[in-house]
Amino acid sequence: QKEVEQNSGPLSVPEGAIASLNCTYSDRGSQSFFWYRQYSGKSPELIMFIYSNGDKEDGRFTAQLNKASQYVSLLIRDSQPSDSATYLCAVNSGGSNYKLTFGKGTLLTVNP
Amino acid sequence: GAGVSQSPSNKVTEKGKDVELRCDPISGHTALYWYRQSLGQGLEFLIYFQGNSAPDKSGLPSDRFSAERTGGSVSTLTIQRTQQEDSAVYLCASSPDRARNTIYFGEGSWLTVV
Repeated sequence: QKEVEQNSGPLSVPEGAIASLNCTYSDRGSQSFFWYRQYSGKSPELIMFIYSNGDKEDGRFTAQLNKASQYVSLLIRDSQPSDSATYLCAVNSGGSNYKLTFGKGTLLTVNP
Repeated sequence: GAGVSQSPSNKVTEKGKDVELRCDPISGHTALYWYRQSLGQGLEFLIYFQGNSAPDKSGLPSDRFSAERTGGSVSTLTIQRTQQEDSAVYLCASSPDRARNTIYFGEGSWLTVV
């Protein structure tokens, strides 16, 4: 069973702080890693993807990947109340270049 | 429209009835996916279509579930003899062939079986 694990939260941070969201995965063959944001009652929205070890930055978001530790994280700098949502980690699985396995998500609350 | 379009957005059906859910992917996207999201659960892969290739049906939970994609565009997910455990949000997504993993979701069809 290929799994993606996330802390369900809620993770609560004050406005302006750094939010750190973590994800571990079990399939060592995974090559592609994604972070989706899902507002309550809405569909998931792609934020970032990362394929290589290290950091990838996009605006206030930084994805970090460590394949040896089977760990991927998302940092949100200068957190805003509008960042309050559930963040889903997704990993390609089963040797497939299209099938994604999703974690159950971490609920982030940014307090004004 | 610019995004993935799904219909109906909400459906309440009686146990034992059949339902059809429709998805119109982003224009030009060759890959189409169906996922299911139950309350408190992660997204569950159901089926994948890519061009004229045979679909990957490995995620369909039972033979009551089927899907087709006509003309490489619109897809229909059919659930026969619905059960209460089928209640979930059914999400369709599409992606361009060059970037199969960067998938974009529709707003979903919320199915409630009573």
